[in-house]
Amino acid sequence: AQTVTQSQPEMSVQEAETVTLSCTYDTSESDYYLFWYKQPPSRQMILVIRQEAYKQQNATENRFSVNFQKAAKSFSLKISDSQLGDAAMYFCAYRTRTGNQFYFGTGTSLTVIP
Amino acid sequence: KAGVTQTPRYLIKTRGQQVTLSCSPISGHRSVSWYQQTPGQGLQFLFEYFSETQRNKGNFPGRFSGRQFSNSRSEMNVSTLELGDSALYLCASSLDGRENEKLFFGSGTQLSVL
Repeated sequence: AQTVTQSQPEMSVQEAETVTLSCTYDTSESDYYLFWYKQPPSRQMILVIRQEAYKQQNATENRFSVNFQKAAKSFSLKISDSQLGDAAMYFCAYRTRTGNQFYFGTGTSLTVIP
Repeated sequence: KAGVTQTPRYLIKTRGQQVTLSCSPISGHRSVSWYQQTPGQGLQFLFEYFSETQRNKGNFPGRFSGRQFSNSRSEMNVSTLELGDSALYLCASSLDGRENEKLFFGSGTQLSVL
């Protein structure tokens, strides 16, 4: 069974600094998708970044980038130049190529300190 | 284009009652998925509906059921409520539930069981 683990329940970062959120997963599949979602107080989940397992190049989206280590089953999110609006709960998620079912971690609550 | 709409936003019920939650997907989206979010457990997949048929189901008891109508709107029902059913219930929609499609979430229904 697929499991996603986020070992950091809470993280904090100074505004304009860089922070890295950790995520590991367990799967026996070789092809899959990985995601980072952000959930602000409004509760609506927002896609931050997506990585396809067959792509070796790490995905980037503006200030957000990932470090995808397939052999280690690790998928960390780096937020550069942190902004107050980045404060939210961040969820790491896994999706198989077949079957529209996502497996989520327990989340990391990120605080941005002005 | 309107986003995913979930009603009601908040609901308070007592043990033993039943509840129905509603989700209206983005216009044109045919796949609707439901997730239960609890602190410390993250998001757990309940089920997915596509073209009025349940296509995937998570590991929840039979008290949790759902359906989808011809206009793709979906309802989720929980019977004989238990205290542990208190959670945020999130609905997500996508065009066809295919692997390369983006998932759009609603703001959820916060259910409290007393």
